[in-house]
Amino acid sequence: DVKVTQSSRYLVKRTGEKVFLECVQDMDHENMFWYRQDPGLGLRLIYFSYDVKMKEKGDIPEGYSVSREKKERFSLILESASTNQTSMYLCASSGDRGLSYEQYFGPGTRLTVT
Amino acid sequence: DAKTTQPNSMESNEEEPVHLPCNHSTISGTDYIHWYRQLPSQGPEYVIHGLTSNVNNRMASLAIAEDRKSSTLILHRATLRDAAVYYCIPLRGNQFYFGTGTSLTVIP
Repeated sequence: DVKVTQSSRYLVKRTGEKVFLECVQDMDHENMFWYRQDPGLGLRLIYFSYDVKMKEKGDIPEGYSVSREKKERFSLILESASTNQTSMYLCASSGDRGLSYEQYFGPGTRLTVT
Repeated sequence: DAKTTQPNSMESNEEEPVHLPCNHSTISGTDYIHWYRQLPSQGPEYVIHGLTSNVNNRMASLAIAEDRKSSTLILHRATLRDAAVYYCIPLRGNQFYFGTGTSLTVIP
């Protein structure tokens, strides 16, 4: 089975802190994604990556950056956390760049910024 | 972006069929239609996808209208474990655009 793991299920940080959210997949997938999920807004794409050291902005990249130094790992970075970044963060991976493929999601990290 | 319209919520009795509708009138000719669901406290999981023809798998069936402006996810016998939020997602390029989905309640 495909497994996508995220470093923490729950995280509490203070305003202004630098925050790292880690995601690891074990299926040698090329594509990895970071979403945030907020009540009433559904899932929104922050960043995605097609390959090592490659990244593309999603719909809401402001306030975030990403790093993909190894194929299996995709990190989301909040350079200076703010309270409006309190959210559920979901990582996903997929193995096909065609028009039909499925994404596998991790369990999510619930981040609270105080 | 191909926009979707889904009911906010639906209810079904256990062991009865459920039809979850989705309107996607602005879909392009090459957009696949994907369905995912999200169980409580979990990440979304893949259910089914299709392009033009109706599709079946072990979890569900997908009926796609001939003009592709709408589709319906069919759960043949709802179980309590099927209580989740169901997302209808036209795939544009390599990006998924999740809306707010339909929250399905299954009544014992």
